[in-house]
Amino acid sequence: EVQLVESGGGLVQPGGSLRVSCTASGFTFSNYWMTWVRQAPGKGLEWVANIKYDGTEKDYVDSMKGRFTISRDNAKNSLYLQMSSLRAEDTAVYYCARVAAIGADYSKYRWFDSWGQGTLVTVSS
Amino acid sequence: DIVMTQSPDSLAVSLGERATINCKSSQSVLYSSNNKNFLAWYQQKPGQRPKLLFYWASTRESGVPDRFSGSGSGTDFTLTISSLQAEDVAVYYCHQYYSSPFSFGPGTKVDIK
Repeated sequence: EVQLVESGGGLVQPGGSLRVSCTASGFTFSNYWMTWVRQAPGKGLEWVANIKYDGTEKDYVDSMKGRFTISRDNAKNSLYLQMSSLRAEDTAVYYCARVAAIGADYSKYRWFDSWGQGTLVTVSS
Repeated sequence: DIVMTQSPDSLAVSLGERATINCKSSQSVLYSSNNKNFLAWYQQKPGQRPKLLFYWASTRESGVPDRFSGSGSGTDFTLTISSLQAEDVAVYYCHQYYSSPFSFGPGTKVDIK
């Protein structure tokens, strides 16, 4: 069974930094593109970033480029999102999700087939 | 960037009745080389994580009840619940994975009338 478990959320002051993590199990993590999606309280879903299975390619939404860094450690089956220069509008639940594959065809242009439960990041003084 | 819109913002339907949600993309998400629409639908129940319902616009994910159907092509898509059940109360999102930055519609909230 695919499982994704986020951790590391919490309260951080404006301008501060935080790293959230996602630990994967139940599948061969190193084969899959992974992604982060966030959801502000009471709002919709917003795609944040994705990363190739080997970590060599990364994509970000423009509004987070330069402030957020996605990374992974395949030996630890873990995905990370390092966030800096945090603002109140970054307050959200951060979900990690697996990018679907079709057989042995792993592409970033796929839907998100499994999601974690999310971790809440609150930016406030 | 592709902008996704959904209509209506919310709807209330009687149990057993049909619910229809529309999704529109600002440019086509149909990829000509494989004739597939790079469009997915998710359901998010209150307090839960999103759950995949459809991909390629109309391919039902395993385990999704067949009262749910997805249709459309190019820029216009529809999610239909043929006979609304109480457990279908949720927010529904469309998602384009045709080009980066990937994007979601703003969501449609479905309630019981």
